[in-house]
Amino acid sequence: NAGVTQTPKFQVLKTGQSMTLQCAQDMNHNSMYWYRQDPGMGLRLIYYSASEGTTDKGEVPNGYNVSRLNKREFSLRLESAAPSQTSVYFCASREDRGWGNTEAFFGQGTRLTVV
Amino acid sequence: DQQVKQNSPSLSVQEGRISILNCDYTNSMFDYFLWYKKYPAEGPTFLISISSIKDKNEDGRFTVFLNKSAKHLSLHIVPSQPGDSAVYFCAVGSGNTGKLIFGQGTTLQVKP
Repeated sequence: NAGVTQTPKFQVLKTGQSMTLQCAQDMNHNSMYWYRQDPGMGLRLIYYSASEGTTDKGEVPNGYNVSRLNKREFSLRLESAAPSQTSVYFCASREDRGWGNTEAFFGQGTRLTVV
Repeated sequence: DQQVKQNSPSLSVQEGRISILNCDYTNSMFDYFLWYKKYPAEGPTFLISISSIKDKNEDGRFTVFLNKSAKHLSLHIVPSQPGDSAVYFCAVGSGNTGKLIFGQGTTLQVKP
């Protein structure tokens, strides 16, 4: 059971380059999330998707776009990477049971460096 | 302004003793609270949660306490084991979106 799979695991970009971080889950969850983690800080929500075809901004959405391609996949795109986007990115999914405190399952993360 | 704070960046305890990790939040509208554990180079993994209608939830060696009047959450690990050494994040949320606000994390070291 793979859970939440993120690709790539590591990436180095030059300022201004674009790239897409991929995320797929095999747990048939409706809700999916993208977070970033910076040193000394907790995870911060970038974007959220409650179901296929719907997305919503989180706490730090600027500089990012997302696509909920289908129920399994939720991608995060950086159109023009900036050094401030150097971070570890985590994708997560959650089963929606009608209340909020069902736990989210996280992928292993993508470590992105923008030079 | 940070809505969720873990004021202790690190904690060191002896194997077999109790570990107490603390978390403070500012918004009384939060209605569920979770703890996640994270090893290096891995994603966070869920540990235990509590809803705002309770003040205690227990799962094996892990107990979470919620003090709503003080807006304070704590995680007790008894007895602590070396394998518990990790970064622990508290996370809070409200409503049904599952969107979470995380604390900065506390690095726990359990010494054999």
